[in-house]
Amino acid sequence: EPEVTQTPSHQVTQMGQEVILRCVPISNHLYFYWYRQILGQKVEFLVSFYNNEISEKSEIFDDQFSVERPDGSNFTLKIRSTKLEDSAMYFCASGTVASQHFGDGTRLSIL
Amino acid sequence: AQKITQTQPGMFVQEKEAVTLDCTYDTSDPSYGLFWYKQPSSGEMIFLIYQGSYDQQNATEGRYSLNFQKARKSANLVISASQLGDSAMYFCAMREHSGNTGKLIFGQGTTLQVKP
Repeated sequence: EPEVTQTPSHQVTQMGQEVILRCVPISNHLYFYWYRQILGQKVEFLVSFYNNEISEKSEIFDDQFSVERPDGSNFTLKIRSTKLEDSAMYFCASGTVASQHFGDGTRLSIL
Repeated sequence: AQKITQTQPGMFVQEKEAVTLDCTYDTSDPSYGLFWYKQPSSGEMIFLIYQGSYDQQNATEGRYSLNFQKARKSANLVISASQLGDSAMYFCAMREHSGNTGKLIFGQGTTLQVKP
């Protein structure tokens, strides 16, 4: 069964550094998303991406964040100047109207 | 305003029994979808079941069924014949179809523990 693939599974980074989280969505899906989940909290929407552009972003998704689809398969989330509070699980998802499948997540730890 | 409410922070169920996890939602969009996800302690989000607002019948997927009561704005997940492997956090989520972005709004989750 096709699945969303995220790399790395765990990323440890010094505060102030830039990180790039990578995702390979399911190939026939047109909608792509990033979500984050701070430990012990609910999943929060960050950004949606459709037709090669951002279709919606949340208040969390400020200038520190950016997304790209550099080729036909990858979908990346870049976080610049990381802060301690960016520590969370970041999920990529892709979907259709009636489904939204998540990757296994990248656990980002900022030291 | 809270759009998805899961009022049960934690639930216990005896193995082989059925359990209902509650979810209520709030939307003015006539077209929407409701999702349930399972998150085991390993952290991944596993899609379980989907119910569209215009679907005539309640959704079912194996041991999972969704008790959809549109007038009450509730979409409770029923797990039949609970197994030890069902112990996990369960999230209800809603997708409003207007705007076409498809983002999901999640509830706070319910932790389910299945007792042997």
